[in-house]
Amino acid sequence: KQEVTQIPAALSVPEGENLVLNCSFTDSAIYNLQWFRQDPGKGLTSLLLIQSSQREQTSGRLNASLDKSSGRSTLYIAASQPGDSATYLCAVKANFNKFYFGSGTKLNVKP
Amino acid sequence: EAQVTQNPRYLITVTGKKLTVTCSQNMNHEYMSWYRQDPGLGLRQIYYSMNVEVTDKGDVPEGYKVSRKEKRNFPLILESPSPNQTSLYFCASSRNIRANYEQYFGPGTRLTVT
Repeated sequence: KQEVTQIPAALSVPEGENLVLNCSFTDSAIYNLQWFRQDPGKGLTSLLLIQSSQREQTSGRLNASLDKSSGRSTLYIAASQPGDSATYLCAVKANFNKFYFGSGTKLNVKP
Repeated sequence: EAQVTQNPRYLITVTGKKLTVTCSQNMNHEYMSWYRQDPGLGLRQIYYSMNVEVTDKGDVPEGYKVSRKEKRNFPLILESPSPNQTSLYFCASSRNIRANYEQYFGPGTRLTVT
C-alpha cells in the first residue's frame, strides 16, 4: 500500500525566505502528484499537478519537482509572504484510480 | 463559477441516526470522490466514482455508502453513524481520471457524532 510522508510537519520562516517542502512516497508506480494548499476552515486549493512523465512544474513563485525513482517531490516557494501561511498537502494518484495524501506541512510565514 | 459544493457544512448528530451529506459539481466532471480528514492521518479516500452508476471503494469504506445516479451529484450516506466517524469530510471531482486531470475540492463538511 502506498504511503505518503511530508516532513517537516510544521515550519516557521521569516518573510522573504525561499523554502522547500518535502513529500515522499513508498511506491514509485504513480500516475501523477498534486500539491494543494489548505487554509483553516476551507477546502483544498490545487497548486500544481505533475504527471509521472514530468520532472517539474512551475506557477508563479511555486516550483514543484518530481523524482519518481526515488519517491520524492519538493515544493519550492520563492520569496515567501505572510499570505503563503497555510497547510500544504501532497497527493499521489496510484493504481486503480486511488489517491493517497500526506499529512501536510503547516507553514507560518512571519512578517 | 466552476465549483464543488457540499451540504451541510457543519453537522452534529447522534449515534445511529442516518444522515446524508450531499456533493454537487457543475463542471461536468466524470470522476468524483469522498475523503475524510483526521488529525495526523491526512486525507483518506472513502469511495470514488468513475462515472454515473460506477462506484468503488477507497481505503476506508466501512460504515459509508454512496450512489451516483446523476453525473453532477455524489451523496455520502452514513446509515448508522458512530463516534469514530466524527471527522472533516471532503468531496472532490476531476474531469476524467484516466487522463490524470487535477482534482477540485469542495469546502468540507465537519461532522460530529455523539
